[in-house]
Amino acid sequence: GENVEQHPSTLSVQEGDSAVIKCTYSDSASNYFPWYKQELGKGPQLIIDIRSNVGEKKDQRIAVTLNKTAKHFSLHITETQPEDSAVYFCAASPTSGGSYIPTFGRGTSLIVHP
Amino acid sequence: DVKVTQSSRYLVKRTGEKVFLECVQDMDHENMFWYRQDPGLGLRLIYFSYDVKMKEKGDIPEGYSVSREKKERFSLILESASTNQTSMYLCASSLTGKRATYEQYFGPGTRLTVT
Repeated sequence: GENVEQHPSTLSVQEGDSAVIKCTYSDSASNYFPWYKQELGKGPQLIIDIRSNVGEKKDQRIAVTLNKTAKHFSLHITETQPEDSAVYFCAASPTSGGSYIPTFGRGTSLIVHP
Repeated sequence: DVKVTQSSRYLVKRTGEKVFLECVQDMDHENMFWYRQDPGLGLRLIYFSYDVKMKEKGDIPEGYSVSREKKERFSLILESASTNQTSMYLCASSLTGKRATYEQYFGPGTRLTVT
């Protein structure tokens, strides 16, 4: 099965700095890579995703990059704000018949200091 | 907006009790999932269901069972709760087939404490 490693487990930055979270995966058949943000007291929520036919995707201050050869993908947050403080999870899995059963990383706790 | 609701936010049960965690989604999603979230371990899949009355084991099914009698409802059952099942339980749902976007929609979680 798929194995997803996520680093770092905790990331502390000053407001306005950039934050980068990295994940690696093991299954070369994986083709969909979402990132979820979990705020305190809430369930995770999808913030951005990337498919294997794309190398980079950007949405305002958030970007994700994918290197299929090296089997790693990263989340980049620029100009961080206190409201970016949360736990972030990466995930990976093959898609099959329209279904997707992701394997999640262990999460990164991002703390943005005002 | 998709809404996934879980029956309780906090639950305290005694060792040996039978525990039911209920999850309901309102967007006609085929897939439903139960995860367990523990600090430093991320989200671990307990069971998932891709249709009514269908279920598949995830990575950590031991000590749990599930029931899906209606499309919108997915229940997690702890037959005899133990202290090592103290955890946050998250339910999720997603579309499948031609409508699939692969995004999972999560409920707010149930924090279960077994004493």
